[in-house]
Amino acid sequence: EADIYQTPRYLVIGTGKKITLECSQTMGHDKMYWYQQDPGMELHLIHYSYGVNSTEKGDLSSESTVSRIRTEHFPLTLESARPSHTSQYLCASSDHRLKEKLFFGSGTQLSVL
Amino acid sequence: KNQVEQSPQSLIILEGKNCTLQCNYTVSPFSNLRWYKQDTGRGPVSLTIMTFSENTKSNGRYTATLDADTKQSSLHITASQLSDSASYICVVSARGYSTLTFGKGTMLLVSP
Repeated sequence: EADIYQTPRYLVIGTGKKITLECSQTMGHDKMYWYQQDPGMELHLIHYSYGVNSTEKGDLSSESTVSRIRTEHFPLTLESARPSHTSQYLCASSDHRLKEKLFFGSGTQLSVL
Repeated sequence: KNQVEQSPQSLIILEGKNCTLQCNYTVSPFSNLRWYKQDTGRGPVSLTIMTFSENTKSNGRYTATLDADTKQSSLHITASQLSDSASYICVVSARGYSTLTFGKGTMLLVSP
């Protein structure tokens, strides 16, 4: 089992609200990632980090932001949620000793009404 | 454009039977290929990672093969169990690039 945790598991909010999805890992991995996944579709990278104070945008345009102040913590924030943000958000970290094998959290299912 | 195509899109098999899932990719330059298992509502879990020089890798009842010349991979599941019901995702990494290319997955249902 991977030691990477996401909260909340499920979130239903109204349009315009600010939300933060939490992700923490206790494996000491430098690299962390946020993916977005819609049902039956492939994962799309929205943000990644190579270490503390490092953040990069991924392939999928996103209105979210991330921060990496501590190695173990990589939260994702939506300043103003919209129905188009409804999706599953998966956090992951990787181990360079294992060919960057990804360890995923259980995900946050976000519904914006 | 880097792409990963998986087939079939979905598959139903009887418990105890074997099955093979396919993955074709156009990612270049190739670094490694991974297979992940994703249970419904959960994050993916790594099954295997293969580099260019590896053409077979096993993890219990799961055996992955890689043909880097034809850019094809397969995942063979032996003696399927109900717990094998999940989506199986093929992921390819390009050398020198920080991002991965994901397939859409094959949804496997093992029926009793």
